[in-house]
Amino acid sequence: GIQVEQSPPDLILQEGANSTLRCNFSDSVNNLQWFHQNPWGQLINLFYIPSGTKQNGRLSATTVATERYSLLYISSSQTTDSGVYFCAPASGGYQKVTFGIGTKLQVIP
Amino acid sequence: DTGVSQDPRHKITKRGQNVTFRCDPISEHNRLYWYRQTLGQGPEFLTYFQNEAQLEKSRLLSDRFSAERPKGSFSTLEIQRTEQGDSAMYLCASSWVRFEAFFGQGTRLTVV
Repeated sequence: GIQVEQSPPDLILQEGANSTLRCNFSDSVNNLQWFHQNPWGQLINLFYIPSGTKQNGRLSATTVATERYSLLYISSSQTTDSGVYFCAPASGGYQKVTFGIGTKLQVIP
Repeated sequence: DTGVSQDPRHKITKRGQNVTFRCDPISEHNRLYWYRQTLGQGPEFLTYFQNEAQLEKSRLLSDRFSAERPKGSFSTLEIQRTEQGDSAMYLCASSWVRFEAFFGQGTRLTVV
């Protein structure tokens, strides 16, 4: 199946700082999602982004499907941004999403 | 619509007991997925339903695990003869036309 690599695995930011999270995947994909997992385990949908660039408030994402990577930008980070960020590409007939181990983000005041 | 709902949120069981979890997907979604997540890892795919048909099962889904979606709406995941290694978060997701998956809050299972 598809392999997903996310970097960095861990990230500590001062509140207000910007960051870029990267996701590389091993095969061509039909869609890709970014999720934020909060401390209670809930996976929150951030972006559905098979290609191109999208923005939502302080977050934006870019997927370059032909080069098999996606980026998540977080600007002006807040403590509530803490948690684990997962990139989840989907492929195959049933389009199930595949997860890597994520990027664990801690934003400190 | 309140999104994907899972019940219970937490379950503690003794080794060897059977447990059953329920997932109610978003009402118009015909696709339903079960995942399992252990500490420090990303969710791993277990099984997939399209309407009531179970179309794919992972090798992770041993014969102690069974999943159903009898009328193409809610789904259940049963684990028989639980083992300590079954302790994990069990996540359910549903999707519709464009395959954007939405996840429930999960059921955290602890086997003691």
